[in-house]
Amino acid sequence: DIQMTQSPSSLSASVGDSVTITCRASQSVSSYLHWYQQKPGKAPKLLIYAASSLQSGVPSRFSGSGSGTDFTLTISSLQPEDFATYYCQQSYSTRTFGQGTKVEIK
Amino acid sequence: EVKLVESGGGLVQPGGSLRLSCAASGFTVSSNFVSWVRQAPGKGLEWVSVIYSDDTTFYADSVKGRVTISRDNLKNTLYLQMNSLRAEDTAVYYCARDGYYGSGPRGMDVWGQGTTVTVSS
Repeated sequence: DIQMTQSPSSLSASVGDSVTITCRASQSVSSYLHWYQQKPGKAPKLLIYAASSLQSGVPSRFSGSGSGTDFTLTISSLQPEDFATYYCQQSYSTRTFGQGTKVEIK
Repeated sequence: EVKLVESGGGLVQPGGSLRLSCAASGFTVSSNFVSWVRQAPGKGLEWVSVIYSDDTTFYADSVKGRVTISRDNLKNTLYLQMNSLRAEDTAVYYCARDGYYGSGPRGMDVWGQGTTVTVSS
């Protein structure tokens, strides 16, 4: 099974900061990598699919990059509504989620 | 409107069974891949199972042999039959649209609101 490891597990940032979250796969997942945002008590929301494609309706301050085993999610200018937990997920071989990264207000 | 609505959760004793339902509207489940994903209290997301449009199914190791995913095309509804339930199966269970043949890597773009399963005596 493919394991997904996110770093950091949590981070503190201020409104307006640029934030980067990293996701590493235990073996290549090509571009079969997706990013989600989840707020407490809510279902996850797809932000980025195929490593770098922005899901319809998602603000352009969210971007993704990478291929193979190493991927990043960047939020270019953190907004109050962006404080949430972010997950990466691979769909190259069945599916696996990373453990999540909680973005908190500094 | 494209929508998924889960139901069937509840309190069940260890060793018991439960069948979750996921009713779709605005798209056809038989033409898409649909996954079940769960989240234990205070924990992260865990993929559980997926069914493809050709009825191919896959399961996470943690539920293999105890869980069966299926689909009723006439009702446009997905199911998750869960048997031999354990305390560690306690979670919110979500269904999510998960792409289709030829879509390439698409991610889970439509999610239900979730249904809660509690396994406890």
